[in-house]
Amino acid sequence: EPEVTQTPSHQVTQMGQEVILRCVPISNHLYFYWYRQILGQKVEFLVSFYNNEISEKSEIFDDQFSVERPDGSNFTLKIRSTKLEDSAMYFCASSDDGQGNTGELFFGEGSRLTVL
Amino acid sequence: GENVEQHPSTLSVQEGDSAVIKCTYSDSASNYFPWYKQELGKRPQLIIDIRSNVGEKKDQRIAVTLNKTAKHFSLHITETQPEDSAVYFCAASYNDMRFGAGTRLTVKP
Repeated sequence: EPEVTQTPSHQVTQMGQEVILRCVPISNHLYFYWYRQILGQKVEFLVSFYNNEISEKSEIFDDQFSVERPDGSNFTLKIRSTKLEDSAMYFCASSDDGQGNTGELFFGEGSRLTVL
Repeated sequence: GENVEQHPSTLSVQEGDSAVIKCTYSDSASNYFPWYKQELGKRPQLIIDIRSNVGEKKDQRIAVTLNKTAKHFSLHITETQPEDSAVYFCAASYNDMRFGAGTRLTVKP
């Protein structure tokens, strides 16, 4: 069964550094998402991406964050100048069930970011 | 944007009992309402979903009901088992999917 894959599974970084989290969505999916989950808390929407551009973003997704689809398979989340409060699990998800962006989300295993 | 409220935050039941988790949403345009189960350290996994043109959906021990007028939907788990213990998230979606805060369900043997 096709899966969303994410790398790295865990990244430790120093405060102020830049990190890039990578995702390979399911190949025939057209909608891509990043979510964040701080330990023990809810899954928070960051951004959705369709047709090579951001379609929606939350208030969390400020200038510190950016997303890119650099080639036909990868979908990346870049976090600049990381802060302690950026420590969280970051989930990539993709979707396409023929009903646009209101279909089932398939989540990756997540990338745990620890900012020291 | 969409705001999803979920209750209760924790729920403890005896094995074999039923569990009910309730959610409300704010955006009347939302038309897709999934429920995800998340085990510790794992990704959220879809367990059941419902679209706005349907009032109820059932899959074995799991059912979801939707009241579009009142903007609330509920998850019902019958004959609970210890392996049902997890965090359950409801979500509502129109342009993007927003999640409730989660319910930690504990099923005691």
